[in-house]
Amino acid sequence: EDQVTQSPEALRLQEGESSSLNCSYTVSGLRGLFWYRQDPGKGPEFLFTLYSAGEEKEKERLKATLTKKESFLHITAPKPEDSATYLCAVQALSNYQLIWGAGTKLIIKP
Amino acid sequence: SAVISQKPSRDICQRGTSLTIQCQVDSQVTMMFWYRQQPGQSLTLIATANQGSEATYESGFVIDKFPISRPNLTFSTLTVSNMSPEDSSIYLCSVEQGANTGELFFGEGSRLTVL
Repeated sequence: EDQVTQSPEALRLQEGESSSLNCSYTVSGLRGLFWYRQDPGKGPEFLFTLYSAGEEKEKERLKATLTKKESFLHITAPKPEDSATYLCAVQALSNYQLIWGAGTKLIIKP
Repeated sequence: SAVISQKPSRDICQRGTSLTIQCQVDSQVTMMFWYRQQPGQSLTLIATANQGSEATYESGFVIDKFPISRPNLTFSTLTVSNMSPEDSSIYLCSVEQGANTGELFFGEGSRLTVL
């Protein structure tokens, strides 16, 4: 069964303290892996798509990487405005429906 | 990109009643997606709505409980029927950038609380 597991469920960091969020996946052929950001009271906002192992994408303080079993979202020198829930989703080769993880709630304290 | 407006943004409903959520997109789109997001859980796709045809429902969701309308290429509604407290959730409307890209734009969601 295709599934996505994100860890940790929540992560509290001090401003400037770099860390990583994990997204482990099991899928019968990966079409793409997606990262979204969700602020409280808002819908998710698309960040990145990764297609193959070894691929990396960057946006400001965020860098997403992909292996054959997991993806990491690295956050470098985070700021309070980076506080949000980060969602990971995968899309299998067999169909186009996204399979979502439960998210990691990131809190950056000033 | 697409701008999606959903209403209501939140509501408190009584058990046994029904509520219709509206979703308006600022551009014409082929498919619109309705998701449910329960606290601490992953997004779950309820159905895909194509203009001019019946919505396609995912396993565990049925048309009698979640009827969907798609009268044109910019608008859709989702009704949550005969509500129970278990239906308390955030309901999200979304559209896709391109076709089958996985890059979705979401509305801000409708938070329903059923008493």
